[in-house]
Amino acid sequence: DQQVKQNSPSLSVQEGRISILNCDYTNSMFDYFLWYKKYPAEGPTFLISISSIKDKNEDGRFTVFLNKSAKHLSLHIVPSQPGDSAVYFCAATRGEGTYKYIFGTGTRLKVLA
Amino acid sequence: ETGVTQSPTHLIKTRGQQVTLRCSSQSGHNTVSWYQQALGQGPQFIFQYYREEENGRGNFPPRFSGLQFPNYSSELNVNALELDDSALYLCASSNLQGADGYTFGSGTRLTVV
Repeated sequence: DQQVKQNSPSLSVQEGRISILNCDYTNSMFDYFLWYKKYPAEGPTFLISISSIKDKNEDGRFTVFLNKSAKHLSLHIVPSQPGDSAVYFCAATRGEGTYKYIFGTGTRLKVLA
Repeated sequence: ETGVTQSPTHLIKTRGQQVTLRCSSQSGHNTVSWYQQALGQGPQFIFQYYREEENGRGNFPPRFSGLQFPNYSSELNVNALELDDSALYLCASSNLQGADGYTFGSGTRLTVV
């Protein structure tokens, strides 16, 4: 049972345009969500997070939106840069402390110069 | 500050053998979690250690076991290796109540033949 789903395995975007990565979840008990970025031969690195008490969190070029009623979150990257090319994972958990994260299967973003 | 280091980076084992993977946590972190990432999948939670005790476990059989040492470093042991155990094993350190998520190591690529 895949509780966190990223239905787009890959996405290509032109440099300077917006990248939108989507994530759906099924467990209504999740109340904290995170995005991680992974380059080849490296471990995932934390990008941005959002608590279920918010519907938006912004950090520079990265914004995460949360729609609790739809059990959907999205990551917006504006403007996209070639260095953003990586695999992006969304993760969900209960509580802000670091415990068991449920990860999606990832979306490979390619930003074209 | 040092990050999370894992050893070895690559490993080939034969079915039925046992393996030990090692992880040094980031300075200042007291919690270590292990994740398995199969090809094309997101990381899956194996277990977490806090203050040298197991602090939760995912859906993995007992032949997956671990240890955390007083310096917060950790080992993952897998007995009776199966072909499906071939994966990237990621160690992640954190503070249990930290809201910034995990700091992941680069992983150990285990191949079981």
